[in-house]
Amino acid sequence: SQQGEEDPQALSIQEGENATMNCSYKTSINNLQWYRQNSGRGLVHLILIRSNEREKHSGRLRVTLDTSKKSSSLLITASRAADTASYFCATDAISGAQKLVFGQGTRLTINP
Amino acid sequence: EPEVTQTPSHQVTQMGQEVILRCVPISNHLYFYWYRQILGQKVEFLVSFYNNEISEKSEIFDDQFSVERPDGSNFTLKIRSTKLEDSAMYFCASSRNTGELFFGEGSRLTVL
Repeated sequence: SQQGEEDPQALSIQEGENATMNCSYKTSINNLQWYRQNSGRGLVHLILIRSNEREKHSGRLRVTLDTSKKSSSLLITASRAADTASYFCATDAISGAQKLVFGQGTRLTINP
Repeated sequence: EPEVTQTPSHQVTQMGQEVILRCVPISNHLYFYWYRQILGQKVEFLVSFYNNEISEKSEIFDDQFSVERPDGSNFTLKIRSTKLEDSAMYFCASSRNTGELFFGEGSRLTVL
């Protein structure tokens, strides 16, 4: 079954450093999305990259997609304490099924 | 800014009782979803709903669960005869199309 798997499961860095999180999935997709979740809160959409795109930027976020390796990365540059959260990748099947399948997530901690 | 709202924020129920979780999706959205997240685990897809019918459901979404859009604004998840393992955060989401999902803050269900 299609499933996003992020690594690392947890990442702790100093404020100002860059944070990179990776995601792998198993089946062909229409798009891949990254979401952020603060503890105990709802998920917030960060960025969507389509299967025919290789890289996308939004502010301090940079997402890459390699469909041949079925993997994506999320880079957060110049991290801030407020970036502390869990980050999930989510994929939707090329079959057109109306669902996103989320990975296990990366717990990111930014130390001031 | 429009948002998805969920009620109640927290519900405690006895095992075997029925629970209804309510959601008000964003008004011009066409697709509606329920996800759940057991504490410390990943976000799991339950069901998607479009054009007044279920369009996709997961293995988790068995006969114990049902969804309804009783009027033009509410989208509900009913859990019949709750079990201990139903304890989780339940997230409602909506989308305009099959891209970005907008999530509510969740309803925490505790089954005793």
